[in-house]
Amino acid sequence: TQLLEQSPQFLSIQEGENLTVYCNSSSVFSSLQWYRQEPGEGPVLLVTVVTGGEVKKLKRLTFQFGDARKDSSLHITAAQPGDTGLYLCADGGSQGNLIFGKGTKLSVKP
Amino acid sequence: GAVVSQHPSWVICKSGTSVKIECRSLDFQATTMFWYRQFPKQSLMLMATSNEGSKATYEQGVEKDKFLINHASLTLSTLTVTSAHPEDSSFYICSAKTGGTEAFFGQGTRLTVV
Repeated sequence: TQLLEQSPQFLSIQEGENLTVYCNSSSVFSSLQWYRQEPGEGPVLLVTVVTGGEVKKLKRLTFQFGDARKDSSLHITAAQPGDTGLYLCADGGSQGNLIFGKGTKLSVKP
Repeated sequence: GAVVSQHPSWVICKSGTSVKIECRSLDFQATTMFWYRQFPKQSLMLMATSNEGSKATYEQGVEKDKFLINHASLTLSTLTVTSAHPEDSSFYICSAKTGGTEAFFGQGTRLTVV
């Protein structure tokens, strides 16, 4: 059974700081997806990466996929309070069913 | 983007009763829908995969007689928690898959069994 480990579990920073969160898999990803979930809401897809070594940017968010396709990082530049939430990585199976990590809970204080 | 709607957003029920949760794809047809549950401070755990017109496929450890899933149309799947107990209290989330690889999530249903 594939296990996804995310670190850190919790992160509290001040507005304007940079941060990086990590996702490591016990096996090669089929396709890696990053989500953000706010309390009481469903996850919202941020990005999907498939190719090892791939880097994708979404405004202040930079997603990096490891060459071996077993790890990934999410870097946020100049964090804002609106970035607060639970960041989840997931492996998207061929059928669309997802295996999630436990997430990193980010709090950005003004 | 594709929109998935869940109803209700929250529900409180008494032990022993049944609760039905609906998941609708509003602007696309979803041949496959997925049901997840999320306990506080935990991640989402897949409960079952629901294909339109066929029986759902349940993950190991999920009781199919307790969590009844019906996917009667390409835009609607329902999850019925039967004979609910307090330990069934959780956040239930559905997702629906389009023809591509991306799945879209509903906003979730908070179930509290008292």
